[in-house]
Amino acid sequence: AQTVTQSQPEMSVQEAETVTLSCTYDTSENNYYLFWYKQPPSRQMILVIRQEAYKQQNATENRFSVNFQKAAKSFSLKISDSQLGDTAMYFCAFMKPYDTDKLIFGTGTRLQVFP
Amino acid sequence: SAVISQKPSRDICQRGTSLTIQCQVDSQVTMMFWYRQQPGQSLTLIATANQGSEATYESGFVIDKFPISRPNLTFSTLTVSNMSPEDSSIYLCSVSGGSNQPQHFGDGTRLSIL
Repeated sequence: AQTVTQSQPEMSVQEAETVTLSCTYDTSENNYYLFWYKQPPSRQMILVIRQEAYKQQNATENRFSVNFQKAAKSFSLKISDSQLGDTAMYFCAFMKPYDTDKLIFGTGTRLQVFP
Repeated sequence: SAVISQKPSRDICQRGTSLTIQCQVDSQVTMMFWYRQQPGQSLTLIATANQGSEATYESGFVIDKFPISRPNLTFSTLTVSNMSPEDSSIYLCSVSGGSNQPQHFGDGTRLSIL
Protein backbone atom coordinates (compact mmCIF):
# COMPACT_ATOMS: atom_id res chain seq x y z
CA ALA A 1 0.00 0.00 0.00
CA GLN A 2 1.09 3.52 -0.72
CA THR A 3 2.03 5.84 2.12
CA VAL A 4 2.81 9.55 2.22
CA THR A 5 4.98 11.09 4.93
CA GLN A 6 5.37 14.73 5.85
CA SER A 7 8.00 14.94 8.56
CA GLN A 8 7.58 18.64 9.37
CA PRO A 9 4.46 19.25 11.47
CA GLU A 10 5.11 23.00 11.54
CA MET A 11 7.22 25.47 9.63
CA SER A 12 7.57 29.22 9.73
CA VAL A 13 9.01 31.74 7.32
CA GLN A 14 9.33 35.47 7.10
CA GLU A 15 7.45 37.33 4.43
CA ALA A 16 9.34 37.52 1.09
CA GLU A 17 11.62 34.64 2.07
CA THR A 18 11.70 31.13 0.61
CA VAL A 19 10.59 27.98 2.39
CA THR A 20 10.66 24.31 1.42
CA LEU A 21 8.18 21.73 2.67
CA SER A 22 9.19 18.07 2.57
CA CYS A 23 7.23 15.04 1.42
CA THR A 24 8.28 11.45 0.89
CA TYR A 25 6.17 8.57 -0.29
CA ASP A 26 6.38 4.86 -0.68
CA THR A 27 5.09 2.99 -3.71
CA SER A 28 6.02 0.15 -6.01
CA GLU A 29 4.25 1.83 -8.92
CA ASN A 30 6.13 3.42 -11.78
CA ASN A 31 3.35 5.68 -13.01
CA TYR A 32 1.51 7.94 -10.57
CA TYR A 33 0.64 11.53 -9.74
CA LEU A 34 1.66 13.73 -6.86
CA PHE A 35 -0.08 16.85 -5.60
CA TRP A 36 0.30 19.61 -3.08
CA TYR A 37 -2.89 21.02 -1.59
CA LYS A 38 -3.23 24.07 0.61
CA GLN A 39 -5.86 24.39 3.34
CA PRO A 40 -6.13 27.89 4.83
CA PRO A 41 -8.13 28.50 8.01
CA SER A 42 -11.23 28.81 5.83
CA ARG A 43 -10.77 24.99 5.48
CA GLN A 44 -11.19 24.86 1.71
CA MET A 45 -8.70 22.50 0.05
CA ILE A 46 -6.96 24.28 -2.80
CA LEU A 47 -4.81 22.54 -5.40
CA VAL A 48 -1.39 24.19 -5.49
CA ILE A 49 0.58 22.07 -7.93
CA ARG A 50 0.70 18.63 -9.55
CA GLN A 51 3.48 16.42 -10.87
CA GLU A 52 3.26 13.43 -13.17
CA ALA A 53 5.81 10.78 -12.29
CA TYR A 54 6.68 10.12 -15.91
CA LYS A 55 7.79 13.72 -16.38
CA GLN A 56 11.35 14.48 -15.38
CA GLN A 57 10.82 18.22 -15.43
CA ASN A 58 9.78 19.71 -12.11
CA ALA A 59 6.39 21.41 -12.09
CA THR A 60 6.17 25.16 -11.49
CA GLU A 61 3.18 27.40 -10.78
CA ASN A 62 4.18 31.01 -10.26
CA ARG A 63 5.87 31.20 -6.83
CA PHE A 64 5.39 27.49 -6.20
CA SER A 65 7.73 24.83 -7.54
CA VAL A 66 8.53 21.25 -6.70
CA ASN A 67 11.69 19.21 -6.45
CA PHE A 68 10.65 15.76 -7.62
CA GLN A 69 13.22 13.03 -7.00
CA LYS A 70 11.64 9.83 -8.28
CA ALA A 71 14.41 7.47 -7.24
CA ALA A 72 14.43 8.90 -3.75
CA LYS A 73 10.60 9.05 -3.68
CA SER A 74 10.76 12.65 -2.59
CA PHE A 75 8.44 15.49 -3.58
CA SER A 76 9.22 18.78 -1.84
CA LEU A 77 7.39 22.08 -2.33
CA LYS A 78 9.29 25.34 -2.55
CA ILE A 79 7.45 28.59 -1.95
CA SER A 80 9.35 31.65 -3.10
CA ASP A 81 8.65 35.23 -2.03
CA SER A 82 6.35 34.00 0.75
CA GLN A 83 3.23 36.04 1.37
CA LEU A 84 1.01 36.32 4.42
CA GLY A 85 -1.75 34.62 2.44
CA ASP A 86 0.41 31.51 2.16
CA THR A 87 -0.27 30.78 5.83
CA ALA A 88 -2.09 27.44 5.77
CA MET A 89 -1.85 23.69 6.20
CA TYR A 90 -0.11 22.06 3.27
CA PHE A 91 -0.87 18.47 2.35
CA CYS A 92 1.10 16.27 0.00
CA ALA A 93 -0.99 13.66 -1.81
CA PHE A 94 -0.39 10.59 -3.97
CA MET A 95 -2.64 9.17 -6.65
CA LYS A 96 -2.24 5.93 -8.51
CA PRO A 97 -3.89 6.28 -11.92
CA TYR A 98 -6.68 3.96 -12.93
CA ASP A 99 -7.22 2.91 -9.33
CA THR A 100 -10.47 4.80 -8.72
CA ASP A 101 -8.31 7.95 -8.61
CA LYS A 102 -8.13 7.84 -4.84
CA LEU A 103 -5.91 10.40 -3.12
CA ILE A 104 -3.69 9.34 -0.26
CA PHE A 105 -2.76 12.30 1.90
CA GLY A 106 0.18 12.98 4.17
CA THR A 107 -0.34 14.29 7.68
CA GLY A 108 0.23 17.90 6.67
CA THR A 109 2.62 20.75 7.48
CA ARG A 110 1.35 23.89 9.13
CA LEU A 111 3.07 26.89 7.57
CA GLN A 112 3.06 30.26 9.27
CA VAL A 113 4.26 33.30 7.35
CA PHE A 114 5.37 36.17 9.57
CA PRO A 115 5.48 39.83 8.53
CA SER B 1 -12.24 23.95 -12.48
CA ALA B 2 -15.68 22.95 -11.24
CA VAL B 3 -17.52 25.04 -8.66
CA ILE B 4 -18.56 22.85 -5.75
CA SER B 5 -21.19 23.91 -3.22
CA GLN B 6 -21.47 22.04 0.03
CA LYS B 7 -24.30 22.43 2.53
CA PRO B 8 -24.52 22.99 5.41
CA SER B 9 -21.23 24.74 6.07
CA ARG B 10 -21.48 23.86 9.74
CA ASP B 11 -23.88 22.32 12.19
CA ILE B 12 -24.15 21.37 15.83
CA CYS B 13 -26.11 18.18 16.43
CA GLN B 14 -27.30 16.06 19.31
CA ARG B 15 -25.89 12.59 19.74
CA GLY B 16 -28.01 9.85 18.27
CA THR B 17 -29.35 12.02 15.46
CA SER B 18 -28.44 11.97 11.77
CA LEU B 19 -27.37 14.72 9.39
CA THR B 20 -27.31 14.77 5.61
CA ILE B 21 -24.63 16.81 3.84
CA GLN B 22 -25.21 17.89 0.26
CA CYS B 23 -22.63 18.40 -2.46
CA GLN B 24 -23.63 20.17 -5.69
CA VAL B 25 -21.35 20.65 -8.69
CA ASP B 26 -21.88 23.14 -11.50
CA SER B 27 -20.89 20.63 -14.18
CA GLN B 28 -21.24 16.91 -14.76
CA VAL B 29 -18.50 14.87 -13.15
CA THR B 30 -17.81 11.18 -13.19
CA MET B 31 -16.42 10.65 -9.74
CA MET B 32 -17.27 12.21 -6.42
CA PHE B 33 -15.50 11.50 -3.16
CA TRP B 34 -16.31 12.02 0.49
CA TYR B 35 -13.59 12.65 3.06
CA ARG B 36 -13.47 13.05 6.81
CA GLN B 37 -10.98 15.33 8.51
CA GLN B 38 -10.88 14.87 12.25
CA PRO B 39 -9.62 17.80 14.36
CA GLY B 40 -5.98 18.54 13.61
CA GLN B 41 -5.71 15.54 11.31
CA SER B 42 -5.30 14.83 7.64
CA LEU B 43 -8.04 13.79 5.25
CA THR B 44 -9.30 10.23 5.21
CA LEU B 45 -11.38 8.92 2.32
CA ILE B 46 -14.77 7.61 3.39
CA ALA B 47 -16.09 6.46 0.03
CA THR B 48 -16.14 6.99 -3.70
CA ALA B 49 -19.52 7.72 -5.28
CA ASN B 50 -20.14 7.05 -8.95
CA GLN B 51 -23.47 7.80 -10.57
CA GLY B 52 -25.54 4.72 -11.20
CA SER B 53 -23.69 2.39 -8.90
CA GLU B 54 -23.26 1.69 -5.21
CA ALA B 55 -20.70 3.76 -3.39
CA THR B 56 -17.38 2.08 -2.66
CA TYR B 57 -16.40 2.37 1.00
CA GLU B 58 -12.91 2.40 2.43
CA SER B 59 -11.82 0.15 5.23
CA GLY B 60 -13.29 1.29 8.53
CA PHE B 61 -16.34 2.96 6.98
CA VAL B 62 -19.68 1.22 6.50
CA ILE B 63 -22.81 2.05 4.59
CA ASP B 64 -25.07 1.85 7.63
CA LYS B 65 -23.12 4.64 9.31
CA PHE B 66 -22.38 6.75 6.22
CA PRO B 67 -25.04 6.14 3.57
CA ILE B 68 -24.32 7.95 0.31
CA SER B 69 -26.54 8.84 -2.59
CA ARG B 70 -25.48 9.82 -6.11
CA PRO B 71 -28.69 10.38 -8.08
CA ASN B 72 -27.07 12.22 -11.01
CA LEU B 73 -23.77 13.52 -12.35
CA THR B 74 -23.92 16.83 -10.45
CA PHE B 75 -25.12 15.90 -6.97
CA SER B 76 -24.34 13.65 -4.02
CA THR B 77 -25.26 13.39 -0.36
CA LEU B 78 -23.51 11.90 2.63
CA THR B 79 -25.49 11.07 5.75
CA VAL B 80 -23.78 10.71 9.10
CA SER B 81 -26.07 8.41 11.08
CA ASN B 82 -26.57 7.90 14.79
CA MET B 83 -23.95 10.50 15.57
CA SER B 84 -21.62 10.39 18.55
CA PRO B 85 -19.00 12.95 19.68
CA GLU B 86 -16.36 10.92 17.82
CA ASP B 87 -18.06 11.96 14.57
CA SER B 88 -17.16 15.60 15.18
CA SER B 89 -15.09 16.42 12.10
CA ILE B 90 -14.96 18.35 8.90
CA TYR B 91 -16.58 16.44 6.05
CA LEU B 92 -15.48 17.35 2.54
CA CYS B 93 -16.68 16.33 -0.86
CA SER B 94 -14.46 16.42 -3.90
CA VAL B 95 -14.88 15.80 -7.59
CA SER B 96 -12.65 14.52 -10.33
CA GLY B 97 -13.01 15.59 -13.93
CA GLY B 98 -11.82 12.25 -15.17
CA SER B 99 -9.20 9.62 -14.77
CA ASN B 100 -5.82 11.01 -13.70
CA GLN B 101 -7.27 14.46 -13.13
CA PRO B 102 -6.75 16.29 -9.83
CA GLN B 103 -9.58 16.44 -7.36
CA HIS B 104 -11.25 19.71 -6.48
CA PHE B 105 -12.90 20.19 -3.13
CA GLY B 106 -15.95 21.82 -1.66
CA ASP B 107 -15.63 24.15 1.31
CA GLY B 108 -16.40 21.39 3.79
CA THR B 109 -18.98 20.92 6.53
CA ARG B 110 -17.83 21.41 10.10
CA LEU B 111 -19.87 19.06 12.25
CA SER B 112 -19.95 19.15 16.05
CA ILE B 113 -21.85 16.61 18.12
CA LEU B 114 -22.82 17.40 21.68
